[in-house]
Amino acid sequence: NAGVTQTPKFQVLKTGQSMTLQCAQDMNHEYMSWYRQDPGMGLRLIHYSVGAGITDQGEVPNGYNVSRSTTEDFPLRLLSAAPSQTSVYFCASSYSNTGAGRQETQYFGPGTRLLVL
Amino acid sequence: AQKVTQAQTEISVVEKEDVTLDCVYETRDTTYYLFWYKQPPSGELVFLIRRNSFDEQNEISGRYSWNFQKSTSSFNFTITASQVVDSAVYFCALSEGRSGGGADGLTFGKGTHLIIQP
Repeated sequence: NAGVTQTPKFQVLKTGQSMTLQCAQDMNHEYMSWYRQDPGMGLRLIHYSVGAGITDQGEVPNGYNVSRSTTEDFPLRLLSAAPSQTSVYFCASSYSNTGAGRQETQYFGPGTRLLVL
Repeated sequence: AQKVTQAQTEISVVEKEDVTLDCVYETRDTTYYLFWYKQPPSGELVFLIRRNSFDEQNEISGRYSWNFQKSTSSFNFTITASQVVDSAVYFCALSEGRSGGGADGLTFGKGTHLIIQP
């Protein structure tokens, strides 16, 4: 299994540009989430999904859109990038229930570093 | 609302010393889950431990140990005989209710930057 993958690894945008951060997992996890990490702030939840077709807002959703058309993919869209969105973005996934021998936790992707000029 | 506080922003110790990272949490739920993650300089997030609210048993894994105390809402992490490779940012996190895996995502503390000097 590749686990949780994120593309791109690094991106530079100009203010006002749009882009989509890709996230995919091959572990058949029901739950997926997006976080941003800023210096001294820890990780903050942007959006999350408990299954295909279901999404909800986290702590800092403004400026971001998500959709979940398949179990595997959970893209994060920036419609009009702003310098305040310069950050490292992490995608995570987890099981919805504990099966035998499962260590139920969130598995994180390697992150996408975004710079908005 | 849930909250996780890691009051220690940065800790610096000399190799082989023991070090404890503090974590205090707030939640209204009676069922919740606590986590510790490690973020080395390379940037990835490495899962260390998950603890259920109904299991206050302390845990030891090699040089790592965790002390969970519901009475003080704390979930502290101790590294014994620290090594330079332990240098990283450590995050404590909380998940409430319906899924221990974090159906609604995790609430993270701001992290403690641990520096182990040789």
